[in-house]
Amino acid sequence: EVQVVESGGGLIQPGGSLRLSCAASGFTVSRNYMSWVRQAPGKGLEWVSVIYSGGSTYYADSVKGRFTISRDNSKNTLYLQMNSLRAEDTAVYYCARDLGFGSGSYFGYWGQGTLVTVSS
Amino acid sequence: SYELTQPPSVSVSPGQTARITCSGDALPKQYAYWYQQKPGQAPILVIYKDDQRPSGIPERLSGSSSGTTVTLTISGVQAEDEADYYCQSADNSGTVVFGGGTKLTVL
Repeated sequence: EVQVVESGGGLIQPGGSLRLSCAASGFTVSRNYMSWVRQAPGKGLEWVSVIYSGGSTYYADSVKGRFTISRDNSKNTLYLQMNSLRAEDTAVYYCARDLGFGSGSYFGYWGQGTLVTVSS
Repeated sequence: SYELTQPPSVSVSPGQTARITCSGDALPKQYAYWYQQKPGQAPILVIYKDDQRPSGIPERLSGSSSGTTVTLTISGVQAEDEADYYCQSADNSGTVVFGGGTKLTVL
C-alpha cells in the first residue's frame, strides 16, 4: 500500500528554522517526482517545491532562497528544510507523490499533513 | 503570476447536478486536475488530465474542457459530496498552480 507520513511540524518563532520529513512506503521516493504543498488555515492549496527523480529541484517564488527540498534514498524519506520562517509560512504542509512524470504534475497520493505555526 | 479562477461557492440540492468551473489562459495547452477536500482531511485526486477518473472515484464525478475553462460535474449530488474542490494545472513554464477552491454545499 502506498503511504506517505509527514512529521516535524510545530510552533516556531519568526526567523527560525524547521525541517519537515515525509516517510514513504509502498514506492521508492528516488524514482518519483515528489512535492510539498501547503495550506494556510482556512485558505487554499499552494504548491511549494518539487524534487524530480533525477534530482532537479524547483521552488515557488514565495519560498525560493529560504526552503530546500531533499531526500534520503536510504531512508526512502523526503525533507523540507525551512529557514528564515515568516508568519505567512504558517500552514499545514503536505507531502505528495507526483504522478505526472514530466508530462504535467499532479498529485495522486497525499500525506495527512503536518502543521507549522510561525509565531512569537 | 498565472491564476486559475474558481467560484467561491456552489450550492445544489441532493440529486441535482453541480458544475464547478475553473478558468485560466493556459488551460487550452495544459491539462487540468481536480481534488476533493473534506474538513480536516488531505485532498483526494478525483479527475486527472481533464476528464480521466482514478479508480475508486464514483462515475457521477466527471471532468470536461472547453477553451480556457474546465468543468467538474457532479451528477446526482449526494450529501457525501459536500466538500471543497480545487482545480490544478500549470503555467506555460510548467509551474504548478491551484485554483482558489470552491465550497460545494448540499442543501
